[in-house]
Amino acid sequence: DTAVSQTPKYLVTQMGNDKSIKCEQNLGHDTMYWYKQDSKKFLKIMFSYNNKELIINETVPNRFSPKSPDKAHLNLHINSLELGDSAVYFCASSPPSETGDETQYFGPGTRLLVL
Amino acid sequence: AQSVTQPDIHITVSEGASLELRCNYSYGATPYLFWYVQSPGQGLQLLLKYFSGDTLVQGIKGFEAEFKRSQSSFNLRKPSVHWSDAAEYFCAVGYTGGFKTIFGAGTRLFVKA
Repeated sequence: DTAVSQTPKYLVTQMGNDKSIKCEQNLGHDTMYWYKQDSKKFLKIMFSYNNKELIINETVPNRFSPKSPDKAHLNLHINSLELGDSAVYFCASSPPSETGDETQYFGPGTRLLVL
Repeated sequence: AQSVTQPDIHITVSEGASLELRCNYSYGATPYLFWYVQSPGQGLQLLLKYFSGDTLVQGIKGFEAEFKRSQSSFNLRKPSVHWSDAAEYFCAVGYTGGFKTIFGAGTRLFVKA
């Protein structure tokens, strides 16, 4: 039983293309996130959603558009891919805010390479 | 603003030796503190967390961490390292209702035989 799953695991594409990454969690969590991990392993939050509503957008270019069709899913669409978008993208979720538990549960990551 | 500093980019220890990974944070109130581990090609896994109460917290795989408010630190320790502990370790800080966890830059642990 995978708690947080992402597809695809690997994504190789050309500059200028548009691509999507999907994320699903079966933990019953209300909050979901997208993180970007660069080649130096630095992990930076991109977006957080709570109950399908965007809470945080960390000055991410508007080429990146998250979409949450329901509380269990948070997809990431990227338009006009650039070389600098190459990274590992992690989806994560956390328990409802009223629990006071901010533990992040991570997916396995999507390795994006833009050529 | 919140921040997390992991002063050591990488550390090498011998198998069986003790380990301490350093973490300092900056936050106005008492934060929620975490240590995560990332094995090569994998996602991040929670090792342990501190929310309140006892400042010495126990985690999985024999790890522990101690919250020291006076030093704004949350160092990770293990008395005897195993070769399988070689990985990247991330310290992180969050706060309730913040919907945002800040991660340190990570410390890469190498274990030599």
